[in-house]
Amino acid sequence: GAVVSQHPSWVICKSGTSVKIECRSLDFQATTMFWYRQFPKQSLMLMATSNEGSKATYEQGVEKDKFLINHASLTLSTLTVTSAHPEDSSFYICSAYRGGNTEAFFGQGTRLTVV
Amino acid sequence: GENVEQHPSTLSVQEGDSAVIKCTYSDSASNYFPWYKQELGKGPQLIIDIRSNVGEKKDQRIAVTLNKTAKHFSLHITETQPEDSAVYFCAASRSYNTDKLIFGTGTRLQVFP
Repeated sequence: GAVVSQHPSWVICKSGTSVKIECRSLDFQATTMFWYRQFPKQSLMLMATSNEGSKATYEQGVEKDKFLINHASLTLSTLTVTSAHPEDSSFYICSAYRGGNTEAFFGQGTRLTVV
Repeated sequence: GENVEQHPSTLSVQEGDSAVIKCTYSDSASNYFPWYKQELGKGPQLIIDIRSNVGEKKDQRIAVTLNKTAKHFSLHITETQPEDSAVYFCAASRSYNTDKLIFGTGTRLQVFP
């Protein structure tokens, strides 16, 4: 089946630095990808919709200058957490639609810890 | 916007018993309702979904029912097994293959041997 892969699976960074998370669709092209954030024991909260070749659409309350999303190709979207702080520590998950008669496929998630 | 509520937040059952998780949604335009299983440290995995043109769907031990009039849908797991233990999320969307998913708050299911 379709596979969505995230890299890295986990990352630890120092407060104030930036971290980039990649989301790749391995065997299909995805014009649209979604980024979610999940705090411990909570639900997945949609952060933004990433559209290939255009600007991302951010959900209310999500700072677009802090969470930079780039969807430069049909198989890759990146989320960059800029000037990370401990409160940004979370589990970040992406998903993508292959198109046609298929559901969304989710990546395995990236655990970000800011120290 | 869409709001999805899910109950219960935790559910403990004995192996072999049934488990039922319920969700309600607010957006009458929603027409796709998937259920996901999430194990610790992993991304969610689709276990079953239902579209608004059907009222019930079954896949072996798992079934989902949808009541569009009341705006609620439920997940039913029969003959539960310890490996069913995980966090389950319902979600709603306006389109099954293009639109964003709004997730419920999750249910932690524990199946005791």
